[in-house]
Amino acid sequence: AQSVAQPEDQVNVAEGNPLTVKCTYSVSGNPYLFWYVQYPNRGLQFLLKYITGDNLVKGSYGFEAEFNKSQTSFHLKKPSALVSDSALYFCAVRDAVTGGGNKLTFGTGTQLKVEL
Amino acid sequence: EADIYQTPRYLVIGTGKKITLECSQTMGHDKMYWYQQDPGMELHLIHYSYGVNSTEKGDLSSESTVSRIRTEHFPLTLESARPSHTSQYLCASSEYSGRGNTGELFFGEGSRLTVL
Repeated sequence: AQSVAQPEDQVNVAEGNPLTVKCTYSVSGNPYLFWYVQYPNRGLQFLLKYITGDNLVKGSYGFEAEFNKSQTSFHLKKPSALVSDSALYFCAVRDAVTGGGNKLTFGTGTQLKVEL
Repeated sequence: EADIYQTPRYLVIGTGKKITLECSQTMGHDKMYWYQQDPGMELHLIHYSYGVNSTEKGDLSSESTVSRIRTEHFPLTLESARPSHTSQYLCASSEYSGRGNTGELFFGEGSRLTVL
């Protein structure tokens, strides 16, 4: 079985400061990992993904994520937060070997609030 | 920009009415999904399809039904809506994982249903 944990319901950060949104995962094989963002009353938008290769993945809007196999983590980061980054962020995983039926397993989401 | 469309975006109806939420994608994706999401909360997979004439129940039990007569179209129907069905419904699609792709999901903008 595959699972994802986002331990923080909400993260608050001041504009201009670095931000981190945490994600840990569990799969039986190798993971495919994803981050999505959701703005109010909108669908989910893809930010970035880790498939293989470089552990640091760069994505949209200046976001990046670091894959850490030993810690089974895939934390989302941004060097300098913007107020417009305030949104709901979802981490997701799929087992690369079994495929999970091609179904992604999503975390419970983390609400990011960036304040002036 | 993903080409997956949901209509209506917002719907307010009375109890007992039959409703259909439309979802169409122009990417030729084999797999399509319906998620239910309460405001600011986690996603629950309620239906998915691996291709034409294929439909499966998701992880969360739902009184809704789906059909997949054409590749591009995956409508969701509630025969008799109740206030407990009030929620946001998100449609998504992905390529078939057998081609070695990563199973990234593309989401529509969502349909927010309110049943009075």
